[in-house]
Amino acid sequence: DADVTQTPRNRITKTGKRIMLECSQTKGHDRMYWYRQDPGLGLRLIYYSFDVKDINKGEISDGYSVSRQAQAKFSLSLESAIPNQTALYFCATSDITSGELFFGEGSRLTVL
Amino acid sequence: DAKTTQPNSMESNEEEPVHLPCNHSTISGTDYIHWYRQLPSQGPEYVIHGLTSNVNNRMASLAIAEDRKSSTLILHRATLRDAAVYYCILRDDGGGADGLTFGKGTHLIIQP
Repeated sequence: DADVTQTPRNRITKTGKRIMLECSQTKGHDRMYWYRQDPGLGLRLIYYSFDVKDINKGEISDGYSVSRQAQAKFSLSLESAIPNQTALYFCATSDITSGELFFGEGSRLTVL
Repeated sequence: DAKTTQPNSMESNEEEPVHLPCNHSTISGTDYIHWYRQLPSQGPEYVIHGLTSNVNNRMASLAIAEDRKSSTLILHRATLRDAAVYYCILRDDGGGADGLTFGKGTHLIIQP
């Protein structure tokens, strides 16, 4: 089983719908992240969390919200999806000692 | 996080060494140099990181210039499986303070 698991892996939805992407990890890391990747571009940070009670905005947080339900779970929500939120979304965890990031396999979201 | 500059793409032949350059002229004294790679249809994975001295691991070597304004990721004997986008990233103090900022990276093409 993967250390960082994202669900769903693929989702097609319509403009205005609420969408939740879920991430769970078995690494035991306190720090978790959500990134967005658009074709031909690098990854941009949406939100990150140092622990259950700590949530921080990243570079592109507008239009997104997150929930850290437990150390192992970090969810990303799009309250009212729009077409330009069509992208590949990655969840990651971080080892506090080395700073190494561990990524999930990604969730591909299409907003029509 | 300080900015890095990488070539958009590079091409190499299978079983030959590959040297991937990265410029980071505004690096600070506490910035660690991290390298990640992203294989097709996967999330990024950690390759190597260092501060001042050259580093080696099972995947690659990292050569850091004496003034630390540039570095080179070395794949000693490229295989077709090394075809990926390689990201050079600077991270302050080597810890997990926030998410790493990923640029566009270098698309490495390996010819058989």
